[in-house]
Amino acid sequence: GQNIDQPTEMTATEGAIVQINCTYQTSGFNGLFWYQQHAGEAPTFLSYNVLDGLEEKGRFSSFLSRSKGYSYLLLKELQMKDSASYLCAVIRPDKLIFGTGTRLQVFP
Amino acid sequence: DSGVTQTPKHLITATGQRVTLRCSPRSGDLSVYWYQQSLDQGLQFLIHYYNGEERAKGNILERFSAQQFPDLHSELNLSSLELGDSALYFCASSVDPRTGNDGYTFGSGTRLTVV
Repeated sequence: GQNIDQPTEMTATEGAIVQINCTYQTSGFNGLFWYQQHAGEAPTFLSYNVLDGLEEKGRFSSFLSRSKGYSYLLLKELQMKDSASYLCAVIRPDKLIFGTGTRLQVFP
Repeated sequence: DSGVTQTPKHLITATGQRVTLRCSPRSGDLSVYWYQQSLDQGLQFLIHYYNGEERAKGNILERFSAQQFPDLHSELNLSSLELGDSALYFCASSVDPRTGNDGYTFGSGTRLTVV
């Protein structure tokens, strides 16, 4: 079976830091992606983790612990344009399975 | 432009009808994935094709079918349409389903409205 959990909604203030968590239980694991999706638009790739630890890319960082089935996406220096849904996705050998996504609202 | 092309962008059709959605993958990508996203819902995996062969199926209805052609473009056929089939349908492509470090690239989607 497979289960990927994320908080449904989060809010934060412009300039702040926010951490979006993702826990997963899947059979078969080839890595984990984080995507950003604005309403009505295509998901865009943010980060990839396959080994334990932190991957940093500018204002975005992503962490993975395979033994705990846990990942998080860290967004720093939040901007209004970061208001979007953030999707955690587990890479299986045959497909990519998405969590339900976390809707982040950034307020001034 | 992501390099993955989906047509049409919008489609409005009546219940009971049949439609075909088309996807051209990024140049060099052999895998094509189809996803359905209903309003305020997550991305639901439908089906995966690799180099012309079906590799995996998700919760795809029997009324839906897909194929990947020799030129690697793919079509998703939806028949006997119901109001609940209204959704965004995304296609994504990748070079190889096992390697993921550059992500799967998504097309801009087809918004299907069944009336």
